Amino acid sequence: DVKVTQSSRYLVKRTGEKVFLECVQDMDHENMFWYRQDPGLGLRLIYFSYDVKMKEKGDIPEGYSVSREKKERFSLILESASTNQTSMYLCASSFIVGSSYEQYFGPGTRLTVT
Amino acid sequence: KNEVEQSPQNLTAQEGEFITINCSYSVGISALHWLQQHPGGGIVSLFMLSSGKKKHGRLIATINIQEKHSSLHITASHPRDSAVYICAVRSSSGGGADGLTFGKGTHLIIQP
Repeated sequence: DVKVTQSSRYLVKRTGEKVFLECVQDMDHENMFWYRQDPGLGLRLIYFSYDVKMKEKGDIPEGYSVSREKKERFSLILESASTNQTSMYLCASSFIVGSSYEQYFGPGTRLTVT
Repeated sequence: KNEVEQSPQNLTAQEGEFITINCSYSVGISALHWLQQHPGGGIVSLFMLSSGKKKHGRLIATINIQEKHSSLHITASHPRDSAVYICAVRSSSGGGADGLTFGKGTHLIIQP
């Protein structure tokens, strides 16, 4: 079974703190994603990576950065946390084989910024 | 960019009822996914469809490529089916992030 793990299920941080969210996948997938999920807005893509040290901005990258130093690990960084970054953060990895495509999600990190 | 619309946004039903959740999208796709998210956050993939119909237990997913529409049906619904159901499409033009676009989800509650 593919496994995508995230470092924390719940996190509480103060405004202005630097926050690191870690994601690890164990299936050698090349593509990894960070989303945030808010009520009424659904899943929105923050950043994705298609290879080590490669990253692309998604739909809402402002206030975030990412790091992918190893294939299995994709980190999301909030340089200076703000209250509007309180959200559920979901990591995912994906593979494509021919016409078959699957995206696997981690359990999510519920971040509260006070 | 593909627009994905789901309906209804919220649905409350009694145990045993037949449930239908709809998804429509605006441009051509290579595949459509139905995902399930239980309280607590974890998302699992239910179906991937590119044509026709798929069935898994009490869940049935259909897609009409010409009409750009898909439905997820749940037969003999049960309280454990309570979850958020998310439709996601992969555009046939590809593009960044695998071209995956998500609907906002349908929050389903099945009451005993």
